[in-house]
Amino acid sequence: AQKITQTQPGMFVQEKEAVTLDCTYDTSDPSYGLFWYKQPSSGEMIFLIYQGSYDQQNATEGRYSLNFQKARKSANLVISASQLGDSAMYFCAMREVNTNAGKSTFGDGTTLTVKP
Amino acid sequence: DVKVTQSSRYLVKRTGEKVFLECVQDMDHENMFWYRQDPGLGLRLIYFSYDVKMKEKGDIPEGYSVSREKKERFSLILESASTNQTSMYLCASSTDTYNEQFFGPGTRLTVL
Repeated sequence: AQKITQTQPGMFVQEKEAVTLDCTYDTSDPSYGLFWYKQPSSGEMIFLIYQGSYDQQNATEGRYSLNFQKARKSANLVISASQLGDSAMYFCAMREVNTNAGKSTFGDGTTLTVKP
Repeated sequence: DVKVTQSSRYLVKRTGEKVFLECVQDMDHENMFWYRQDPGLGLRLIYFSYDVKMKEKGDIPEGYSVSREKKERFSLILESASTNQTSMYLCASSTDTYNEQFFGPGTRLTVL
């Protein structure tokens, strides 16, 4: 079974609007971390935001927030006030502490295009 | 400023050649990783290392080997390159299991 599922291969958003990128995950490990990365056309992966499985509050980093719904195994990325520079591919990833030897599993990615 | 560097951005090799991809990090990180990225398949872990001279197989280790003789350097080796190893290769490092990974710029390898 897919451990990380990103159901949106491509998304469009108007500049200055908010956008939500979906991510669901599958694990039986009670200890895990969820990450979002951005990959612009230049190719370099950039870390955006992290959520631990025991964190009580949703993570936020500037215009990025993570909508963490543990019971639904969902970790959606919300980008507020989209900018043209947000156009990129976005990856959701999970690291399980006690299983899978701490390796990260990545989703297939969502390509976000911000329209002026 | 944290940095992960990879020896080449673009590389073209011939089938059967031995290929070395080098990765260096300057953050004193324990963990280092090699991924390959292919369209529609996301990132797939080839090998990772959590300490000098230690290595663990990832999800797709076949056809690859690695070397970590120094903490800052993690090398990926294609013993006999094949056309199905044409891909983007990404190196990453992190401090420990919970922390984010820092990625290098990637090496786009073409095997002819």
